[in-house]
Amino acid sequence: AQSVTQLDSQVPVFEEAPVELRCNYSSSVSVYLFWYVQYPNQGLQLLLKYLSGSTLVKGINGFEAEFNKSQTSFHLRKPSVHISDTAEYFCAVSDLLGKLIFGQGTELSVKP
Amino acid sequence: DSGVTQTPKHLITATGQRVTLRCSPRSGDLSVYWYQQSLDQGLQFLIQYYNGEERAKGNILERFSAQQFPDLHSELNLSSLELGDSALYFCASSVLPRDTQYFGPGTRLTVL
Repeated sequence: AQSVTQLDSQVPVFEEAPVELRCNYSSSVSVYLFWYVQYPNQGLQLLLKYLSGSTLVKGINGFEAEFNKSQTSFHLRKPSVHISDTAEYFCAVSDLLGKLIFGQGTELSVKP
Repeated sequence: DSGVTQTPKHLITATGQRVTLRCSPRSGDLSVYWYQQSLDQGLQFLIQYYNGEERAKGNILERFSAQQFPDLHSELNLSSLELGDSALYFCASSVLPRDTQYFGPGTRLTVL
């Protein structure tokens, strides 16, 4: 069975600082991994995904993530955050049928 | 805008009642997924349809049911509502199972 653990429930950071949101997964099958962002009172928007190939994945809004099979991690990074990045971020793994198993979410709070 | 539409946006009802949530997938998408987001349970998969057929079930209560119609829109029916059913209900769609899922804006259900 697959599972996802997001290691930080809240990450406060100052504007223009770098940020890393951590995600570990467990899966007995080949993994498809995703990061979604949820802005207040909105639905989920896909940030980036790893299906296969290069382990460094670039997404929208300057975010990137690195798939590390040996560490079973898929951490999300941004070199310089903006106030507008304040949101909840969800890491997810897809099972063989396609359903998404989500982590508990990380609330990113960017302060001026 | 993901292209997935959900109606209604908000729903307020009383315990014991029955409601229907509607989802229209992106044009060309054959798979529809329903998820529930609540403060205590996080984002949980409910059920998946592919081209009109049920593909997978999550921890969906027996009081809940869903279907996907020939025009590929889907409805989630929630009956004998309890206070604990108050949550955000998201619909997502993808072309095929395991393809990237695109989420609708959600329906916020409040049971009083």
